[in-house]
Amino acid sequence: DTAVSQTPKYLVTQMGNDKSIKCEQNLGHDTMYWYKQDSKKFLKIMFSYNNKELIINETVPNRFSPKSPDKAHLNLHINSLELGDSAVYFCASSLRTGGRSNSPLHFGNGTRLTVT
Amino acid sequence: GNSVTQMEGPVTLSEEAFLTINCTYTATGYPSLFWYVQYPGEGLQLLLKATKADDKGSNKGFEATYRKETTSFHLEKGSVQVSDSAVYFCALSAYGGSQGNLIFGKGTKLSVKP
Repeated sequence: DTAVSQTPKYLVTQMGNDKSIKCEQNLGHDTMYWYKQDSKKFLKIMFSYNNKELIINETVPNRFSPKSPDKAHLNLHINSLELGDSAVYFCASSLRTGGRSNSPLHFGNGTRLTVT
Repeated sequence: GNSVTQMEGPVTLSEEAFLTINCTYTATGYPSLFWYVQYPGEGLQLLLKATKADDKGSNKGFEATYRKETTSFHLEKGSVQVSDSAVYFCALSAYGGSQGNLIFGKGTKLSVKP
């Protein structure tokens, strides 16, 4: 009964390849996110979707494309992978309560992407 | 803009020592404040939160008080255990702007030795 699950847990690939990371939540949340954590543990938001609609799109190369088939899923597709894409990617979800978002995030366990 | 600054680690303590991890913030409006914890190999988990000034969040022996006058939300625990070893993130969620966008500090790694 995992709340936020993402697959795969580890992903090792070569430069130039295209890869996807999948995320699913069974909490009934309406908002999902992708965060990137670098080697120094710094965590930065990449994307946020609310009810399948993109609401946050930070400065991220357009090689990264999120896809939300329904509000329980938010997948991340990465084209033409580069060395600098190596990081841990976290999916998260929350309830978006009106105009003040103090609903906590529920995180998946992360996907460690290594580009060689 | 909105930002969070927390003390740099790593912090190394002996078991049963007192812990303080400082966190200050800059925000427009009235943010909600959070502490998240990341255990090795896992995602972040909410540890505690406070949604308005003078609120105290507490959980698992950890406490933090929302101080608007000093724009701070320091994390404290009276007696740490080896199992508290983790990375701790202070975060804020501001009204307006990128709603639902939690802004995290850079994390503070805590190591507790037996």
